[in-house]
Amino acid sequence: AIRMTQSPSSLSASTGDRVTITCRASQTITSYLAWFQQKPGEAPRLLIYAASALQSGVPSRFSGSGSGTDFTLTISSLQSEDFATYYCQQYYHYPPTFGQGTKVEIK
Amino acid sequence: VQILESGGALVQPGGSLRLSCAASGFPFNNHAMTWVRQAPGKGLEWVAGMSGRGGGTYYADSVKGRFTISRDTSMNTVFLQMDSLRAEDTGIYYCAKDGTLHITFPENWGQGTLVTVSA
Repeated sequence: AIRMTQSPSSLSASTGDRVTITCRASQTITSYLAWFQQKPGEAPRLLIYAASALQSGVPSRFSGSGSGTDFTLTISSLQSEDFATYYCQQYYHYPPTFGQGTKVEIK
Repeated sequence: VQILESGGALVQPGGSLRLSCAASGFPFNNHAMTWVRQAPGKGLEWVAGMSGRGGGTYYADSVKGRFTISRDTSMNTVFLQMDSLRAEDTGIYYCAKDGTLHITFPENWGQGTLVTVSA
């Protein structure tokens, strides 16, 4: 199975900060990558698919980029509601696999 | 779109359990359906998926041969039959509608159902 590695595993940031999370695949997945947000006690929420396509209803401060093996999720100006754990997922090779998650905490 | 899981319970190691997922608000047959689980305090793990329109089924290596995914299009329901359960199968099981006919990214998620495997 494809291994997805996120970095960092956690980060502390302040409201208004620009935040970048990276995700690396163990082999090429072209652009078959999605990003999810999960808050404590809630189900995950799809943010981005196809590496850079913003899911309907997701604020434009979220953006995704990358292709091949290296990808990034950027939050341009962190808001209070963005403190959560973020996961990447590849769906190019079956079975689909998730990264281990990146927890974004309040500084 | 509404996704509602049920069937989670406490079960002994080696036992079986069948989870159900009732879906509504979208053309059920045109979307793949997926199960994802989360062990307590851990990350997400993709478990099983089934393409729409009678397409293929796929499983994570950790559950292959023990879990079976199926769907009833007349009831707009997906099932996950779990046999030979182990302690490491404990967690919240989420059902999700994928974004396309084929297994891709989970687009809409249910709230999850808790499975506990313990003696």
